[in-house]
Amino acid sequence: DTAVSQTPKYLVTQMGNDKSIKCEQNLGHDTMYWYKQDSKKFLKIMFSYNNKELIINETVPNRFSPKSPDKAHLNLHINSLELGDSAVYFCASSQGRGFGNTIYFGEGSWLTVV
Amino acid sequence: AQSVTQLGSHVSVSEGALVLLRCNYSSSVPPYLFWYVQYPNQGLQLLLKYTSAATLVKGINGFEAEFKKSETSFHLTKPSAHMSDAAEYFCAVSDQSAQKLVFGQGTRLTINP
Repeated sequence: DTAVSQTPKYLVTQMGNDKSIKCEQNLGHDTMYWYKQDSKKFLKIMFSYNNKELIINETVPNRFSPKSPDKAHLNLHINSLELGDSAVYFCASSQGRGFGNTIYFGEGSWLTVV
Repeated sequence: AQSVTQLGSHVSVSEGALVLLRCNYSSSVPPYLFWYVQYPNQGLQLLLKYTSAATLVKGINGFEAEFKKSETSFHLTKPSAHMSDAAEYFCAVSDQSAQKLVFGQGTRLTINP
């Protein structure tokens, strides 16, 4: 009974393609996130949504477009993929807007752009 | 803005030895501090968190961390390392001025038999 689930887990695609990663949480949380982990394991927040409203957008290229159809889902669409987009993308959720609240992470989506 | 520095990108200890992973934070207001663990090819799992209730925080798998305001530190320890502790460990900070977790660069823990 996975709390934060994201699909696909592995994705290999060519430069220039468009791809989406889906995320769903069954914890009843009102805030969801996308984090990016680069090849050096560094984790950085990309986006945060609270009750479907965008509250954090960390200077991510506009090729990345998050969409939250409801507070249990936060999908990430990436246009015109570039080699530098290769990374692990983690979806996460919390009850409340982050500070002091535990953030629960999904298993990650390994994106490789070739 | 808050930040976290983890001293040592790689720590190696023998099985049964003390584990000490260092984390120093920077925050202009009282912080919330977290340690997460990431096993190979998996997501992040919360080990423990500090929310000002007690300076010594006990977490899962025998880990604990002590908040020291004077040293701006939140080091993670475990008295006796087990092979299953081999993983990447991340310290993270958040505070009331931000609505996100900021992570350190991670420390890879290797356990030698």
